[in-house]
Amino acid sequence: QITLKESGPTLVKPTQTLTLTCTLSGFSLSTSGVGVGWIRQPPGKALEWLALIFWDDDKRYSPSLKTRLTITKDTSKNQVVLTMTNMDPVDTATYYCATRGVTVPGYYNAFEIWGQGTMVTVSS
Amino acid sequence: QTVVTQEPSFSVSPGETVTVTCGLRSGSVSISNYPSWYQQTPGQAPRMLIYSTDTRSSGVPDRFSGSILGNKAALTITGAQADDESHYYCVLYMGRDISWVFGGGTKLTVL
Repeated sequence: QITLKESGPTLVKPTQTLTLTCTLSGFSLSTSGVGVGWIRQPPGKALEWLALIFWDDDKRYSPSLKTRLTITKDTSKNQVVLTMTNMDPVDTATYYCATRGVTVPGYYNAFEIWGQGTMVTVSS
Repeated sequence: QTVVTQEPSFSVSPGETVTVTCGLRSGSVSISNYPSWYQQTPGQAPRMLIYSTDTRSSGVPDRFSGSILGNKAALTITGAQADDESHYYCVLYMGRDISWVFGGGTKLTVL
């Protein structure tokens, strides 16, 4: 069974750096074509794609947020980590990680399986 | 900035057919954008319904279908059911530099 689970702080202060971890189960991020991405959703608002890392360590970032984001992977731990610097109250959202290229071919560029999400509030 | 457009909301009666579209503020959507569609109910993570324009994900009822209509991607629900009351999001792949862009979502009410 393929699952993803997000973890990290529920509350961060403005200007702090957020670090979120996505723990993967049932597949390997070292498999060709596989990627894991991060998507967020502010309360009552739409989904927003943030970043994705591929099996070969290629990385993609949202153009509007790329200066603040870093995505890394630890294949031995089956984890993907997202850091976001200089957090602001507008970054308050549920943060999801999702797979790409695990159950359907990667070139379809779809987010097949999602974690349950983790809510992060930015407030002093 | 790439903006993906969706209708904010639709309201249908059970059994009716509804089509939700996914467009680009500038330009046309094509199969090369690999449109995919997601269903999200309150408090839940999104669930993939359709990928690569028109391929249903495993376990998705066949009343859900995807297509390209004119210059937009489209999700059609044929014979909407009460269970289909959800938010629906599309996402387009815009190439290496922009990568993925989500639409603003469509809230479907079935009553």
